[in-house]
Amino acid sequence: DIQMTQSPSSLSASVGDRVTITCRASQGISNYLAWYQQKPGKVPKLLIYAASTLQSGVPSRFSGSGSGTDFTLTISSLQPEDVATYYCQKYNSAPFTFGPGTKVDIK
Amino acid sequence: EVQLVQSGAEVKKPGESLKISCKGSGYSFTSYWIGWVRQMPGKGLEWMGIIYPGDSDTRYSPSFQGQVTISADKSISTAYLQWSSLKASDTAMYYCARLEYGGSCDYWGQGTLVTVSS
Repeated sequence: DIQMTQSPSSLSASVGDRVTITCRASQGISNYLAWYQQKPGKVPKLLIYAASTLQSGVPSRFSGSGSGTDFTLTISSLQPEDVATYYCQKYNSAPFTFGPGTKVDIK
Repeated sequence: EVQLVQSGAEVKKPGESLKISCKGSGYSFTSYWIGWVRQMPGKGLEWMGIIYPGDSDTRYSPSFQGQVTISADKSISTAYLQWSSLKASDTAMYYCARLEYGGSCDYWGQGTLVTVSS
């Protein structure tokens, strides 16, 4: 099965900073990659699908890029409400494995 | 409005059986895959498996194959996750989610907390 890794596992940044999270697949998955945000005690929320397509209603400061094995999620200007754990997920074929998550908080 | 409503929290003893549910509304239940996701306390998301309610085609993660059963009753737009013999390590929050046509999870249930303790 394809394994998903994320880096860093956690980060602390200031409000207004540009934040980048990386997700890597152990084999190529084309663009079958989604990003989710999970705030503490809340249900996960889809941010981006097909590697770079923003889900309806998601702020434009979130963006995704990549294809094949390497992907990034970028928050262009970190806001206090972005404190959360972010997960990538591959869905080219079952199992639709999640990455281990990246915890983002405010410095 | 698309909604997935899950059954309430459960407290069980090791060895007991359990079936939790996820009822879909606001869309064609038989036309979208439903997935189940486990989140153990303080841990990340784990993909368990999916079912297509239209024909009950089911796929499991190797980690959960044989440990749980995923099913659906399309007549009442409900998917299920069941255990025949719970273990303490099954203590977790369980989410159901609708898969959009590509496969990402665009709508999620509110979660069902399962606690297994003697």
